[in-house]
Amino acid sequence: AQTVTQSQPEMSVQEAETVTLSCTYDTSESNYYLFWYKQPPSRQMILVIRQEAYKQQNATENRFSVNFQKAAKSFSLKISDSQLGDTAMYFCAFSSGSRLTFGEGTQLTVNP
Amino acid sequence: GAGVSQSPSNKVTEKGKDVELRCDPISGHTALYWYRQRLGQGLEFLIYFQGNSAPDKSGLPSDRFSAERTGESVSTLTIQRTQQEDSAVYLCASSSGYLEADTQYFGPGTRLTVL
Repeated sequence: AQTVTQSQPEMSVQEAETVTLSCTYDTSESNYYLFWYKQPPSRQMILVIRQEAYKQQNATENRFSVNFQKAAKSFSLKISDSQLGDTAMYFCAFSSGSRLTFGEGTQLTVNP
Repeated sequence: GAGVSQSPSNKVTEKGKDVELRCDPISGHTALYWYRQRLGQGLEFLIYFQGNSAPDKSGLPSDRFSAERTGESVSTLTIQRTQQEDSAVYLCASSSGYLEADTQYFGPGTRLTVL
C-alpha cells in the first residue's frame, strides 16, 4: 500500500517570501504520479501542480515549483513570492492509476 | 455546469437515519470518485466509478456505505443507519477517464453532521 507523509502540520511565511512544503511517500510502483492540491476555507480542492514520475524535469507552474527526488521518494513544493491568497491547506497526493492517496496536509498561512 | 457540483452543501441528521449525497460530475467525464475528509485530516478514498461500473470500491468502510452511478453522470452515495463517526466532509471528483492518473477535479463537498 502507498503512504504519503507530510511532516509539517503548520507553516507560516511573510508575504513576498519563499516557502517550501515537504512531502515523502512510500511505494513499490515504478510508474506513478504526484500532485499538490490546495484547499482554502471554501473546501474546494484545487490542483496546484502535477509531476509524472518518469519525467526527470521538475514541474513548474508560475510561482509554484517542485523538487522531485525519486530515489529519496521526496516531493516538496516551493512557493515563490507568496501572496495572501496562498493561505490554505496544502495536500500532497500520490496516484499509480486511479485513486489518489493523500497526506495529512500542511496549513500554510501567509502573513502581511 | 462548468465544474463538479454536490448537494446538499450541508446535512445534519440523527444517528440511525439514512442519508443520500449527490454528485454531478463535469459533463463528459467518465471517471468519478468519492472521498471522505474527517476534521483536520487528509482525504480517504471511498469508491471509484468508470462509467456506470465500480472497479474499485475497496475504500468503503462498512456495508452501511453504498454508491451508484447512472447514465454515466450523476452519482449517489448512500449511508444507512448513520453513526457519529460518519460525520465528515464527503468530496466527489471527476476526471476524463481517458488517461492514466489524469487530473481529478473536485466538487465543494457535503458536510455531514450526525447528532
